[in-house]
Amino acid sequence: DGGITQSPKYLFRKEGQNVTLSCEQNLNHDAMYWYRQDPGQGLRLIYYSQIVNDFQKGDIAEGYSVSREKKESFPLTVTSAQKNPTAFYLCASSLALVGGYEQFFGPGTRLTVL
Amino acid sequence: GIQVEQSPPDLILQEGANSTLRCNFSDSVNNLQWFHQNPWGQLINLFYIPSGTKQNGRLSATTVATERYSLLYISSSQTTDSGVYFCAVKPGGFKTIFGAGTRLFVKA
Repeated sequence: DGGITQSPKYLFRKEGQNVTLSCEQNLNHDAMYWYRQDPGQGLRLIYYSQIVNDFQKGDIAEGYSVSREKKESFPLTVTSAQKNPTAFYLCASSLALVGGYEQFFGPGTRLTVL
Repeated sequence: GIQVEQSPPDLILQEGANSTLRCNFSDSVNNLQWFHQNPWGQLINLFYIPSGTKQNGRLSATTVATERYSLLYISSSQTTDSGVYFCAVKPGGFKTIFGAGTRLFVKA
């Protein structure tokens, strides 16, 4: 059953802590993305990756970091430098970065800072 | 950059009614998708439709690329259709731009 998994589903963090959100895909897609969604808003791009060992900043990368050591995995770390990290985080993938390829999304992680 | 505008922002329907959601974009695109975000937050792919017309059950979509708009039709709406509908476009390059969404509530 191909798809994108994200874990955990809910995450609570104390101020000053770093946390890492997991994203795994078994669709054999080269491109992966992280988006942030605030209540009642659309999606904003945090980071994206075209291929293994390559990633680029999106529109709101400050306070976040990523790695892409395996094709299947694209974890996102929310650092203590992120001023307002409480949000819904969505991971996505597509066959390739450039061109008319459909994006598919994981179920998301809800992060709350206490 | 490209602007994506969705209308209406909010919509309340009685179960069984039909509706049309609109997505306008300000520049040419080579990729357009419609998504449904359910109450649990999951984004479900409805259509990949950079041009033309597609149908899937009670839903259909039409994109007129030359006039820079896309329409999503929902017929015989059901309470499970409630949620937020997003239009997302890719003007070229790598970045996908999402509209602000249409919030749909279907009353039983």
